[in-house]
Amino acid sequence: DTGVSQDPRHKITKRGQNVTFRCDPISEHNRLYWYRQTLGQGPEFLTYFQNEAQLEKSRLLSDRFSAERPKGSFSTLEIQRTEQGDSAMYLCAAAELGELFFGEGSRLTVL
Amino acid sequence: GQQVMQIPQYQHVQEGEDFTTYCNSSTTLSNIQWYKQRPGGHPVFLIQLVKSGEVKKQKRLTFQFGEAKKNSSLHITATQTTDVGTYFCAGYGSSNTGKLIFGQGTTLQVKP
Repeated sequence: DTGVSQDPRHKITKRGQNVTFRCDPISEHNRLYWYRQTLGQGPEFLTYFQNEAQLEKSRLLSDRFSAERPKGSFSTLEIQRTEQGDSAMYLCAAAELGELFFGEGSRLTVL
Repeated sequence: GQQVMQIPQYQHVQEGEDFTTYCNSSTTLSNIQWYKQRPGGHPVFLIQLVKSGEVKKQKRLTFQFGEAKKNSSLHITATQTTDVGTYFCAGYGSSNTGKLIFGQGTTLQVKP
């Protein structure tokens, strides 16, 4: 158990709907990351936060994707107007000194 | 942008055989990390290498960071069925960034 919780674990939605994922990291880990992983691929960087500041975003994070970490604790990742290509595992990870602790992930299926 | 590549993509070995996966970065890395992901699981941190030419061992696993800090390898001696999974390398760029880029992984299958 890494202490990083993600919710929901599974989400099935219809194309065009909005979805939101939540990540609750270990409290003393000031960095929080979001990755996307599809079958047979490595985790694909989306964005990361240092406390509440979003320091870097991938170009993959289009206008439809947004992430927040309002109080430097939990974080949310929202996908608007979902497309079938958004189907993937969305992984959250917390870090303090460089080593990442991953949550179990939130699996999204877009029908 | 920074890219991290791994070969091979898949490796099937007989239990007891050795296994090696190679990682190459398009840019110099400040450090490199290795993770293992079991089927259906999430990536789990194995080790971090920081110094040029560094070699670290964990039981049957040997990790190496290249002299130019652009490549790395993971070698497993005498594989066991518990070694099954996908091994990822991941690197921070040499600039002051917290962006950690993962390779596409090497999936190891071990036949008993």
